[in-house]
Amino acid sequence: NAGVMQNPRHLVRRRGQEARLRCSPMKGHSHVYWYRQLPEEGLKFMVYLQKENIIDESGMPKERFSAEFPKEGPSILRIQQVVRGDSAAYFCASSQRTGGAGEKLFFGSGTQLSVL
Amino acid sequence: QKEVEQNSGPLSVPEGAIASLNCTYSDRGSQSFFWYRQYSGKSPELIMFIYSNGDKEDGRFTAQLNKASQYVSLLIRDSQPSDSATYLCAVMQNAGNMLTFGGGTRLMVKP
Repeated sequence: NAGVMQNPRHLVRRRGQEARLRCSPMKGHSHVYWYRQLPEEGLKFMVYLQKENIIDESGMPKERFSAEFPKEGPSILRIQQVVRGDSAAYFCASSQRTGGAGEKLFFGSGTQLSVL
Repeated sequence: QKEVEQNSGPLSVPEGAIASLNCTYSDRGSQSFFWYRQYSGKSPELIMFIYSNGDKEDGRFTAQLNKASQYVSLLIRDSQPSDSATYLCAVMQNAGNMLTFGGGTRLMVKP
């Protein structure tokens, strides 16, 4: 299955620790998006990346959160000094190319982050 | 971010009925419109997309788009209990690929 792969599926951290979430896009896809979903809420856009380039990070909190998509390897969403309010499901999506109508995003299974 | 609005529900319909899910959006420059289905604890799954005004049918699903009214809907014919899920409307703006999601409508199909 060449779908969007995310790991870990579940991640438990204590307050103040760091969380690293990984996402490998679908084969042939070069664009990655990160979304956060709180319980009973919709998906909130965080960041959009291409290889080695952040395209749009307008949804990322200004502090503690960072994302990268290196030339080799998965995209990483990094949360430093986690707080209880960071507890959420984090979904990664990928798409094939940029540009207008017709582009579809496919989602991974998500990482459920729990901060104790 | 531009807004996408959905009634949170729950929308309850009997098995075999037509379920009608609605969505409005604020950005007139939006180009593409998507419906995702999300089961509890699972990831969103793309079920329909539409780019042009009018109707688009795929099996039991019909997406309807009215750009003048900034309105998108999803009809599910012959609703089944397995259709019970949250349906997320998503809109892609004119520039870039970012999808903006509505809060979702929870659909309950009762046997």
